[in-house]
Amino acid sequence: DVKVTQSSRYLVKRTGEKVFLECVQDMDHENMFWYRQDPGLGLRLIYFSYDVKMKEKGDIPEGYSVSREKKERFSLILESASTNQTSMYLCATTTSLKSYNEQFFGPGTRLTVL
Amino acid sequence: TQLLEQSPQFLSIQEGENLTVYCNSSSVFSSLQWYRQEPGEGPVLLVTVVTGGEVKKLKRLTFQFGDARKDSSLHITAAQPGDTGLYLCAGRGSNYKLTFGKGTLLTVNP
Repeated sequence: DVKVTQSSRYLVKRTGEKVFLECVQDMDHENMFWYRQDPGLGLRLIYFSYDVKMKEKGDIPEGYSVSREKKERFSLILESASTNQTSMYLCATTTSLKSYNEQFFGPGTRLTVL
Repeated sequence: TQLLEQSPQFLSIQEGENLTVYCNSSSVFSSLQWYRQEPGEGPVLLVTVVTGGEVKKLKRLTFQFGDARKDSSLHITAAQPGDTGLYLCAGRGSNYKLTFGKGTLLTVNP
């Protein structure tokens, strides 16, 4: 079974802090994603990585950056957290980008920015 | 930008009732997936439909992909409390991105 783990289930940070969210997968998948999930807005793609050190912006990359130094690890960075970044953050991974491939999700990190 | 409209947004029913959730778009998708998300967890894939008109069954759940590959439905027969959760449809267009609907929060009361 694919296992996708996220570093924290709950996180509380203050406005202006630098925040790191980490995602680790154990199935050697090339592709990893970061989404945020908000009530009434669904899941929105922040960033996507298709290989080590390779990344593409998703639909809402503003205020975020990412790092993928190792294949199994994909980090989401909030350089200066703001209250509008309070959200559920979900990491996902998939083995290939074929249309029928499943995305495997981690359990999510609920981030609150005060 | 491809959009997926999912309805209803909320659904609260009694155990044993039937229900249908709809996912509609003006765009054509190469495939459409349905995920279920339980509280405190990430979404888990239920099914992928690829061919227009395709129908797939998963126990009491029936999934249909529209002939034009622009819409899909999920029908649950004799719902049980264990079916409670957030149901998400997600369509894949011509690139790698999945476009998610906003979800249907289903509550099945005993």
